[in-house]
Amino acid sequence: AQSVTQPDIHITVSEGASLELRCNYSYGATPYLFWYVQSPGQGLQLLLKYFSGDTLVQGIKGFEAEFKRSQSSFNLRKPSVHWSDAAEYFCAVGAGNYGGSQGNLIFGKGTKLSVKP
Amino acid sequence: NAGVTQTPKFQVLKTGQSMTLQCAQDMNHNSMYWYRQDPGMGLRLIYYSASEGTTDKGEVPNGYNVSRLNKREFSLRLESAAPSQTSVYFCASSDIWTGGQPQHFGDGTRLSIL
Repeated sequence: AQSVTQPDIHITVSEGASLELRCNYSYGATPYLFWYVQSPGQGLQLLLKYFSGDTLVQGIKGFEAEFKRSQSSFNLRKPSVHWSDAAEYFCAVGAGNYGGSQGNLIFGKGTKLSVKP
Repeated sequence: NAGVTQTPKFQVLKTGQSMTLQCAQDMNHNSMYWYRQDPGMGLRLIYYSASEGTTDKGEVPNGYNVSRLNKREFSLRLESAAPSQTSVYFCASSDIWTGGQPQHFGDGTRLSIL
């Protein structure tokens, strides 16, 4: 069965420090992988996605993620964190819009990021 | 800069009441979705609409109905609300390049059923 694990429930980093949020997935075929960010009281915003091709993908707000098939991972990174990055981050895996699986993403439980001044 | 707009933002219902959650997007997206978010459960897909005039069930459709009124609007109806439907409901939309997965989300409707 498909699953997504985000091992870290809560991470605190200092402003200006680098960030890596972990995501591991279980999926039988080549997955579609996504990272979303949710600020308090708001909906999710798509940060980046991986469908195929280059395993290092760039997203909005200076984020990037690397797909590592051998490790079943899709970790999110940012070289220098800003206070405005404090939010909850969700990794998700899906089958795309083939085989009737449109929109049926499997979400991780999220990692809450706090940023120290 | 509206994006995806959901109304209402908060609602309290009594068991057995009905209501419709409204969603509209102004990005000319073809696909729209309804999710519910519950603590410890992540987001779960209720219904989606791949294009105007079509709707399909997601993971947790029981107790809900949807209407894709036009390209902009996608409503979610609870015919007879139950306490188990207490949740935060998110509407989302996407264009073709996200592989049929949600791209923009509304700010949510927080629904409590007593």
